[in-house]
Amino acid sequence: AQKITQTQPGMFVQEKEAVTLDCTYDTSDPSYGLFWYKQPSSGEMIFLIYQGSYDQQNATEGRYSLNFQKARKSANLVISASQLGDSAMYFCAMREGNFGNEKLTFGTGTRLTIIP
Amino acid sequence: DAMVIQNPRYQVTQFGKPVTLSCSQTLNHNVMYWYQQKSSQAPKLLFHYYDKDFNNEADTPDNFQSRRPNTSFCFLDIRSPGLGDAAMYLCATSRVYGAEGTQYFGPGTRLTVL
Repeated sequence: AQKITQTQPGMFVQEKEAVTLDCTYDTSDPSYGLFWYKQPSSGEMIFLIYQGSYDQQNATEGRYSLNFQKARKSANLVISASQLGDSAMYFCAMREGNFGNEKLTFGTGTRLTIIP
Repeated sequence: DAMVIQNPRYQVTQFGKPVTLSCSQTLNHNVMYWYQQKSSQAPKLLFHYYDKDFNNEADTPDNFQSRRPNTSFCFLDIRSPGLGDAAMYLCATSRVYGAEGTQYFGPGTRLTVL
């Protein structure tokens, strides 16, 4: 079974609009972490935002916010006021496991294209 | 700026000819990871080091090996590359595991096997 599911293979969004990228996860571990990474065509994975399973507040980093709904096991990324430079592949990832045996599992990604 | 550096950015090798990819970090992080990412796929963890302790993923082929001679450097050795090993290889580091274990990635090495 998929541990991280990203149901949107591709999205097209008008510049300056907000965009929500979906991510659902599956784990029985009470302690886990959720991450979003951006991968431009150059290939580098850029860390965007992190949400811990025990965090009470939704994480925010500048234009990025994470809509964490624990009961629904979803961790959607919201990008406000999208820019042309936001065009990239976006991966949701989950960290689970015990100290020394942790693993980051990635979803299949969403390719976001910002239209001028 | 503190960072993760990978060399070379592009590597071309011949079928069966050993190749070594290099990763260095100035973040002084304890943990270093190697991922393989094939075209249009998610990154797949090959192995990682916590300091000098090596952790191999169960499904990582024996053809792939790694060395970490010191905190700053980690190498990926592919002993006999096959056509199926053509991919982007990503190195990442994290300070520790757990809540502060955010992984930071290098720019990747794109490997072509002829």
